[in-house]
Order: sequence, then C-alpha cells, then structure tokens
Amino acid sequence: EIVLTQSPGTLSLSPGERATLSCRASQSVSSSYLAWYQQKPGQAPRLLIYGASSRATGIPDRFSGSGSGTDFTLTISRLEPEDFAVYYCQQYGSSRRTFGQGTKVEIK
Amino acid sequence: EVQLVESGGGLVKPGGSLRLSCAASGFTFSSYSMNWVRQAPGKGLEWVSSISSSSSYIYYADSVKGRFTISRDNAKNSLYLQMNSLRAEDTAVYYCAREELQIAAAGTGVFYYYYYMDVWGKGTTVTVSS
Repeated sequence: EIVLTQSPGTLSLSPGERATLSCRASQSVSSSYLAWYQQKPGQAPRLLIYGASSRATGIPDRFSGSGSGTDFTLTISRLEPEDFAVYYCQQYGSSRRTFGQGTKVEIK
Repeated sequence: EVQLVESGGGLVKPGGSLRLSCAASGFTFSSYSMNWVRQAPGKGLEWVSSISSSSSYIYYADSVKGRFTISRDNAKNSLYLQMNSLRAEDTAVYYCAREELQIAAAGTGVFYYYYYMDVWGKGTTVTVSS
C-alpha cells in the first residue's frame, strides 16, 4: 500500500505570499495518478490539480503542481484570502486510492 | 448541471446498519467509476470504496472490508453503500465522488491514463453512538 505523507502539517502565511506544499509517496507513483484537492470548512473537497501538474477546469493559474516519482509539490504563487484552506494530495492505485493527511494553510 | 447528492445518513447504534445513497445527475452515470470517501470529525479524507462503471471491479479500504458493500444501479443513476456492523470509528461525513479517466495520446502509440475525482457531493453525516 502506498502511503502519502504531506508536509508541513500547517503553513502560516500572509496573503500575497507564496505557499509550497509537499506530498511524498512511500513508493514511486505515476505522475498521471497524482491529484491535489482543496477543502474549506463545511465544504466538500474540490479538485485543483490532476496528473501532478494539470489544472482542473476553472482553477486559477496561481495554483501549480509539479514533481514525479515519490516527490510532488503544490505551489500557490500568491495567496489570496480564499486560498486559506486544507489541501490534500491523492493517488490512484489499481485496487485502492490513498489520500495524504492534509496540509492546512492558515492566515498568519 | 453535473451533481451528486448523498442521503441516508443518521444516528445509529454500534453494531447497527445503514444504507447510504448517492443520486447522480447531469452526466452519463454508467460511464464512470464511483467512490465513497469519508471524513471523521476534525480529521482528513479517507478513501472507503470504489466501484467500476459496470460493477465488475469493486475495492474496499481494509478498515471497512467485510462490513461495507458498495453497489450501483445504472438504470437509476444511483450509487449505494451498505454499512453493517457499524463502529464508533465509522462516524464521519461520507462523500460520493465521480472518478474521471482521461486518456491522452503521447504519440507513437503511447497513451497516458489520468485518474482523479472531479465531482463530489456535499456529503451525508453518519454518527455511530449508543
């Protein structure tokens, strides 16, 4: 079973700053199987990035994804007030799907 | 509008049963694999189960295997989760999520397969407590 470990657990930043979130897999993951989601309190998760680096429909270009193998990164170039939320990485496996434990981006 | 609406949540005693439903609309339900994902209070997302478009492939997380059963009725555009032998640790918001498969040609006969959950319902709350 592939385990996804996200870091840091919490990121305290100010609006306008750059956020860099990490997702590390316990074994190599195909880039096309790696996605990122945003979740705000009381809401369902929303797809941000799929295929490690492709933005989902309607996602602003300040969100970008990168990485391969076991190390993946979600970058928010300039934080907007609406970006403060929890972010999850997720991988597709042939017999299971796995989520990371999440990174909370909070206002400093 | 593409939409998923969960229902069936509620309060149940430990050892009890509950059946969740997810009604799909706005897309060809029978063409997609579907997932159940849950979130315990204050915790992260946990994948629970997946079912392929024709129900040929079904998978479960170890935490629910043998107790939960996923099923679908493509004629009714509906996804189900039968939950038996419920435990306190099953308390969570349960989301259904559509799984998209996107195939991209990279040339010279090479194809990339992209899998991701692109549509989510708002969730239904299950509380297991005496």
